[in-house]
Amino acid sequence: NAGVTQTPKFQVLKTGQSMTLQCAQDMNHNSMYWYRQDPGMGLRLIYYSASEGTTDKGEVPNGYNVSRLNKREFSLRLESAAPSQTSVYFCASSEWMRSWDEQFFGPGTRLTVL
Amino acid sequence: GQQVMQIPQYQHVQEGEDFTTYCNSSTTLSNIQWYKQRPGGHPVFLIQLVKSGEVKKQKRLTFQFGEAKKNSSLHITATQTTDVGTYFCADKNRDDKIIFGKGTRLHILP
Repeated sequence: NAGVTQTPKFQVLKTGQSMTLQCAQDMNHNSMYWYRQDPGMGLRLIYYSASEGTTDKGEVPNGYNVSRLNKREFSLRLESAAPSQTSVYFCASSEWMRSWDEQFFGPGTRLTVL
Repeated sequence: GQQVMQIPQYQHVQEGEDFTTYCNSSTTLSNIQWYKQRPGGHPVFLIQLVKSGEVKKQKRLTFQFGEAKKNSSLHITATQTTDVGTYFCADKNRDDKIIFGKGTRLHILP
């Protein structure tokens, strides 16, 4: 099992460009999450999908959109990238968010916006 | 809103010394989770504490949940170089908001 996979691993964008970060899990988990990690700030939840067909805002949703494509896949879209979105993005999944199960994280995408 | 604070932010210890990181919340914690992130890596789940006053051990790691469920700690006995990394605590409140502490970065001096 691959666990949680993310593509791409690295990306450089210019201000105003758009891109989609892809995430997939093969653990049959119901809940999936997108976090960003900035130096000294820990992990901050951007959006989550508690179950297939639902998405909700986390702590820092502005400038992002998400799509829960199916049970396996959860994508994060930046419509018009800004330098403040330079960060490391982690996707995670868990069996059920409601029961606060352990989260499994992907390897991350390192995004730089110039 | 809820704040989860971790102290210290950084800790340098000699190999073989003990290490402790503390997680404090402005409100009552539901169930606290602890994660470890190696440099350049991704967070990896260590443990979840559920009950007030709970103590759990994993080899050299001891996790405690405060009696009032407003704080938690992770203690590492006799640190090794493999313990290097950042340790995070996390909580999920009743509004389904997941809050991570900012982490404690552990450096081991040989």
